[in-house]
Amino acid sequence: KAGVTQTPRYLIKTRGQQVTLSCSPISGHRSVSWYQQTPGQGLQFLFEYFSETQRNKGNFPGRFSGRQFSNSRSEMNVSTLELGDSALYLCASSLFGTTNEKLFFGSGTQLSVL
Amino acid sequence: AQSVTQPDIHITVSEGASLELRCNYSYGATPYLFWYVQSPGQGLQLLLKYFSGDTLVQGIKGFEAEFKRSQSSFNLRKPSVHWSDAAEYFCAVGAAGGSYIPTFGRGTSLIVHP
Repeated sequence: KAGVTQTPRYLIKTRGQQVTLSCSPISGHRSVSWYQQTPGQGLQFLFEYFSETQRNKGNFPGRFSGRQFSNSRSEMNVSTLELGDSALYLCASSLFGTTNEKLFFGSGTQLSVL
Repeated sequence: AQSVTQPDIHITVSEGASLELRCNYSYGATPYLFWYVQSPGQGLQLLLKYFSGDTLVQGIKGFEAEFKRSQSSFNLRKPSVHWSDAAEYFCAVGAAGGSYIPTFGRGTSLIVHP
């Protein structure tokens, strides 16, 4: 069974640009969640999607958005990039997104904003 | 709202020595507790989890953790560390019921000396 796949693996953008990251969950998993990881802040929850609906959202500005498709693949978009958006973006999937489930993480997309 | 504190940013141990990584949580009810490990360039992998019952939980790779309600702690232990255990370790707490909105600690980086 294939794991969680995130593309691209690395991205370099400049301030003001926008970026789209992709996440393909494990087959059959309907919940996809996104996290921002930085050395200073650790793992910060961005949002979670279940069956194409955003079910939970973290404390991030509106420049961060996402969506989920009918095949459970998810994308997140960051508009008007800032230097502080440089981070490793991780997505994770689970069957139903309930608290007692194990999360399966992808290897992440490393975003550098110059 | 729940919160997690991992007091140690870095821990250095010698190969073969015992290990204890600290995790303190704040949550009003009985929490769901997790330890994840992140190897360099990889996503996170679940080591173990606690929901209820026996307060000593066994995980993969020879790790165990003990839930102590009176101390609001969930420390991770391993009796003998291997060089391959060098990684970032994250403690996480989740609220019982509903969808998964995890709160992760900032992580502890484990360095293993030969």
